[in-house]
Parts: sequence; structure tokens; C-alpha cells
Amino acid sequence: SQKIEQNSEALNIQEGKTATLTCNYTNYSPAYLQWYRQDPGRGPVFLLLIRENEKEKRKERLKVTFDTTLKQSLFHITASQPADSATYLCALHSGNTPLVFGKGTRLSVIA
Amino acid sequence: NAGVTQTPKFRILKIGQSMTLQCTQDMNHNYMYWYRQDPGMGLKLIYYSVGAGITDKGEVPNGYNVSRSTTEDFPLRLELAAPSQTSVYFCASSRTTVEQFFGPGTRLTVL
Repeated sequence: SQKIEQNSEALNIQEGKTATLTCNYTNYSPAYLQWYRQDPGRGPVFLLLIRENEKEKRKERLKVTFDTTLKQSLFHITASQPADSATYLCALHSGNTPLVFGKGTRLSVIA
Repeated sequence: NAGVTQTPKFRILKIGQSMTLQCTQDMNHNYMYWYRQDPGMGLKLIYYSVGAGITDKGEVPNGYNVSRSTTEDFPLRLELAAPSQTSVYFCASSRTTVEQFFGPGTRLTVL
């Protein structure tokens, strides 16, 4: 069956360190993968998209990698700040199917 | 632009009652979506639409109905509310199949 798994429900990290979140998938051949941020009580907000033929994408302190052999995407936040604390969702798009979301990882950056 | 707006923000229903969750977007997006989000369960797609007059079922459509008579509006109808429909409902829109813009959500409780 098709699955999207985000490595952990919660991740705690010290301010200034790099946070790394993992998104694994099985039985999909995604054309692209997206990452969203969700704050408590709010809707998700789009952050980054990476296509299947791209290895890495960067935006300010954010970096996403996409390994279609390992069926995995890594989402990095460098020099993390308490304001980065939120839930991060990965989502993938495969063929004609609508976007499918993972359950998310709740990141807490501790000052 | 207001983006995606949803009403109401909160609602308590009794079992068997019906209601309509409203969603409007002012970005002239063709694609619109309804999701539900239960604690720890991620976003589940209920229905989606690729344009006015066209709707399709998502992963969890049972107990819901939608219509799309205009580009801007995509209401979600609950006919006979059940406790299993207690959730947070998000509406989203997108110009293409990438980068969805989400509304603020409607928190629904069925007692």
C-alpha cells in the first residue's frame, strides 16, 4: 500500500543548531514533493517544492533534498530559531492524484 | 487579496443536524480542496474540484457533499452530522496542482 511517513512526531533542538526532518514514501513515484509549515490553530503554509529531477533546493535558511532511489526527502533548517517552532508537513504529488500529506513532525526549538 | 476565507470559525452541532461550511477564494484559482485534520492524523482529502462544475471524491468523502457553481466558492455540506465528523476542516486552493493556499480552518464539534 502507499505510505508517506515523517520520521518522528516531535523533534526538540537547541537554538542555533540545524534541524533535519525526514519524509519517506513507499509505492509512489512522485513527480514532486512539497513542504508546508503549520502553526497551532492555523492552516498550512507552503514553503518549498522540489521536483523529481532535482537533488536539492534552497530558500534562505531552508534546504530540501530529494532522493528518488532512497524514496526520501530531507528538510533542513539551519541556524534554527524559536520562531521556527511549528509542525512541518511533507506532501507529494504522483501522476493525476491530488496531493497526499504526511502526518507532520512537530519541531520545538529551545532557546 | 483576502486569499482563502472560511466561515464559520467554530461550530457545535448535534447528532443528525446538517450544516454547510463556506469557502471562498479571490485568487481566481481553478483548483479547490476540502481537507479534514484530526489530531495526529495529518490532512485527509475529502473532496476536490478542478474547476467550476467539476468535483471529485478524495480519500474520505462519506458523509459529505460539495458543489462548485463558481470559481470562487466551494461549499462543503454535512447532511447528517455524526460524532466521527468532529474535526478541523481546511479549505485550500491552487492555480495548478502545486502550492496550495489554505484557509484558517473551521473547528467542528458534533455532540
